[in-house]
Amino acid sequence: IQMTQSPSSLSASVGDRVTITCRASQSIAIYLNWYQQKPGKAPNLLVYAASTLESGVPLRFSGSGSGTDFTLTISSLQPEDFATYYCQQTYSNLPFTFGGGTKVEI
Amino acid sequence: QVQLQESGPGLVKPSQTLSLTCTVSGGSISSDDYYWTWIRQHPGMDLEWVGYIYKTGSAYYNPSLKSRVTISIDTSKNQFSLKLSSVTAADTAVYYCATAAGTGDRRLSYWGQGTLATVSA
Repeated sequence: IQMTQSPSSLSASVGDRVTITCRASQSIAIYLNWYQQKPGKAPNLLVYAASTLESGVPLRFSGSGSGTDFTLTISSLQPEDFATYYCQQTYSNLPFTFGGGTKVEI
Repeated sequence: QVQLQESGPGLVKPSQTLSLTCTVSGGSISSDDYYWTWIRQHPGMDLEWVGYIYKTGSAYYNPSLKSRVTISIDTSKNQFSLKLSSVTAADTAVYYCATAAGTGDRRLSYWGQGTLATVSA
């Protein structure tokens, strides 16, 4: 299953609303997770099962979608949110592929 | 809280076998809750799911690597390991170990810090 993220990068300002999209090459129901990665660090889980916020993740992050189209939204961008974001499908077909990433820059 | 730590040689020669170990603390590798997972990331590039293993020893691999990869588990040491044979420069990457939830979403909740493995003569 191929995962396509868009855009591959974006520039935004503190306080902006940011939306990242992820499209699957076939239906994956809600088996879609989102991660944030900062330089030199391991990815960090933000959202799982398309829309469930991981414990401890700020409420400005939200996920939505089902089937083939999904979005990650940051309602009000904060300085610590500048990072690269990845989606990952975990539908039944192995491997559990990742999207190509979206780099959020100032 | 589960903590993971990768270890292994940082430099491997072409055609040899890359061997990495992930030591688990703060939880048991015999837990029903997790699949023990390896992920890799080529420098500046995408994340790639390598494979995972359950406490029973059942392992699942990325088909693109299946002929060269073996993941094993050592419950006595609370560790799991990755072996990748016949490596080339294309296998140079940061290798992460992580936990995938035992529930259907297989979310990767806990990650090691990652270890860079370089393939070079």
